[in-house]
Amino acid sequence: NAGVTQTPKFQVLKTGQSMTLQCAQDMNHNSMYWYRQDPGMGLRLIYYSASEGTTDKGEVPNGYNVSRLNKREFSLRLESAAPSQTSVYFCASSPLGSNQPQHFGDGTRLSIL
Amino acid sequence: AQSVTQLGSHVSVSEGALVLLRCNYSSSVPPYLFWYVQYPNQGLQLLLKYTSAATLVKGINGFEAEFKKSETSFHLTKPSAHMSDAAEYFCAVNAGNMLTFGGGTRLMVKP
Repeated sequence: NAGVTQTPKFQVLKTGQSMTLQCAQDMNHNSMYWYRQDPGMGLRLIYYSASEGTTDKGEVPNGYNVSRLNKREFSLRLESAAPSQTSVYFCASSPLGSNQPQHFGDGTRLSIL
Repeated sequence: AQSVTQLGSHVSVSEGALVLLRCNYSSSVPPYLFWYVQYPNQGLQLLLKYTSAATLVKGINGFEAEFKKSETSFHLTKPSAHMSDAAEYFCAVNAGNMLTFGGGTRLMVKP
């Protein structure tokens, strides 16, 4: 089972460039999430999609947009990358319900120069 | 509002010694609590979860955690550390529709 697949695994951008991080899950989960991980800060929620057709802001949404393309896919877009967005980005999915654990991809390591 | 505090960003133990990783939470409603482990260059994997069925929760790899409402704690323990336990551990709380993570504790195991 692939679980949660993120592409690309690594990316280097210049300030002002745009890019889209892709995420797909094959577990038939309703909910999907995007986090960023920075040293000493744990994971912080950027956006989430509780179910197909809905998206909501998390703790740190500024500078990002998301698209829930279908039940399987949830993409994260940086329209104009800034050095402060250098981070490791994780996508996760889960069944509906706050008692359900989330399943994580292996991350995208993004550097913005 | 909900938050998680993990005491100690780095913990070092000898192989075979007790592992204790501390987690305290705040939540305005009864929470669901989780511990995740992250190995280098990987995503997070679920170790165990508390969902109100029992206060002592057993997880994978010999880890367990005890929910103490009076202390608002959910500390992670393992009786005997193994070299393969070296990783970063995250406590997380969900009291609504979002998961909030602590800052993480890096566990180092000395031979």
